[in-house]
Amino acid sequence: GAGVSQSPSNKVTEKGKDVELRCDPISGHTALYWYRQSLGQGLEFLIYFQGNSAPDKSGLPSDRFSAERTGGSVSTLTIQRTQQEDSAVYLCASRPDWGGQFFGPGTRLTVL
Amino acid sequence: GESVGLHLPTLSVQEGDNSIINCAYSNSASDYFIWYKQESGKGPQFIIDIRSNMDKRQGQRVTVLLNKTVKHLSLQIAATQPGDSAVYFCAESGTQAGTALIFGKGTTLSVSS
Repeated sequence: GAGVSQSPSNKVTEKGKDVELRCDPISGHTALYWYRQSLGQGLEFLIYFQGNSAPDKSGLPSDRFSAERTGGSVSTLTIQRTQQEDSAVYLCASRPDWGGQFFGPGTRLTVL
Repeated sequence: GESVGLHLPTLSVQEGDNSIINCAYSNSASDYFIWYKQESGKGPQFIIDIRSNMDKRQGQRVTVLLNKTVKHLSLQIAATQPGDSAVYFCAESGTQAGTALIFGKGTTLSVSS
């Protein structure tokens, strides 16, 4: 596809379970970002990957959150031992060497 | 920390009117700014961007103005249509590809027929 895709679109889980969210960026984009958006709020930066450099994890809210980017393309955001406050829409974006970030549709995570 | 904010959380206009959405940013070192449109249940959609070496940039029905003196950014939408109804976010960053965007909370634009 031409845009950023994310899966699943919706995820409902129980408190304490682990979840994995997937992002397929636009082909050829060198940078990949994860953001979190709570209801009615702006976007909160979580982590980004740029080429082969070490990721910038400065936005991760706790050590329960981690992310990987394999082969410079697909990325997985993992949340361990989910809590109710983790409920949000998780957005992935990719960016070419220069220009704006292009966002996927997001994964809506609900922790019961 | 540094943040980007918007002056008004909501803006209501009539179809055909021109809309102006404002944004104030605090990081004077930011040199790249973007406006995004987010419709319900969707990810943010890129509208228009501007670098700090410019003060105005035009797209199709949209214009972004940048005033670095007062650290103010605005998005003008000409002949607003019902399909323009959405939440609009401004975002700032550095020009380097690896810089994350800092978003404001958004302005909800409602267009009535």
